[in-house]
Amino acid sequence: EAGVTQSPTHLIKTRGQQATLRCSPISGHTSVYWYQQALGLGLQFLLWYDEGEERNRGNFPPRFSGRQFPNYSSELNVNALELEDSALYLCASSLRADTQYFGPGTRLTVL
Amino acid sequence: GESVGLHLPTLSVQEGDNSIINCAYSNSASDYFIWYKQESGKGPQFIIDIRSNMDKRQGQRVTVLLNKTVKHLSLQIAATQPGDSAVYFCAETLSGNTPLVFGKGTRLSVIA
Repeated sequence: EAGVTQSPTHLIKTRGQQATLRCSPISGHTSVYWYQQALGLGLQFLLWYDEGEERNRGNFPPRFSGRQFPNYSSELNVNALELEDSALYLCASSLRADTQYFGPGTRLTVL
Repeated sequence: GESVGLHLPTLSVQEGDNSIINCAYSNSASDYFIWYKQESGKGPQFIIDIRSNMDKRQGQRVTVLLNKTVKHLSLQIAATQPGDSAVYFCAETLSGNTPLVFGKGTRLSVIA
């Protein structure tokens, strides 16, 4: 069974640009979560989608947004990129809102 | 959200010894707990979980202990191997209602 997949693996952008990150959950999982992990820091919760709807949002500005598609895959969009947005962005999926399985992450670098 | 800075607590153990990694969780109402292992450049990997109606759960070479009185969680790794070197995170949630809240992480370094 395939795990959570994320694309791209690496993404390089400049300040002010927009970034789009993608996530495909484990087959059968309906919830998708996004986390930011800046270098050397812990996981900061960003967004939680379930059955196509946003269920919860972490303490991040509105320029961080996303959506979940009918096939349960998800996109994270970051607008007006800032240098401090450079981080590993992790996606996780779950069948219930507890056991989350993570993908390998997308490394976003903002220059 | 919380941030820990660049310096994680580090636990160094000799290969073959047992490791104990501790975690203090924040919400006394949390009823589900998970330990994750994160190797450099990779996403967190599920290790073991425990629900609040249990105080101990064993897996392959790993044991999780839960002490709800003092809101403390520990992960014990038996016969630690070099491949166990990673950062370990505990996470808590109120099942079905809240996203996971992650602890600050502990770096385990195995000395061969």
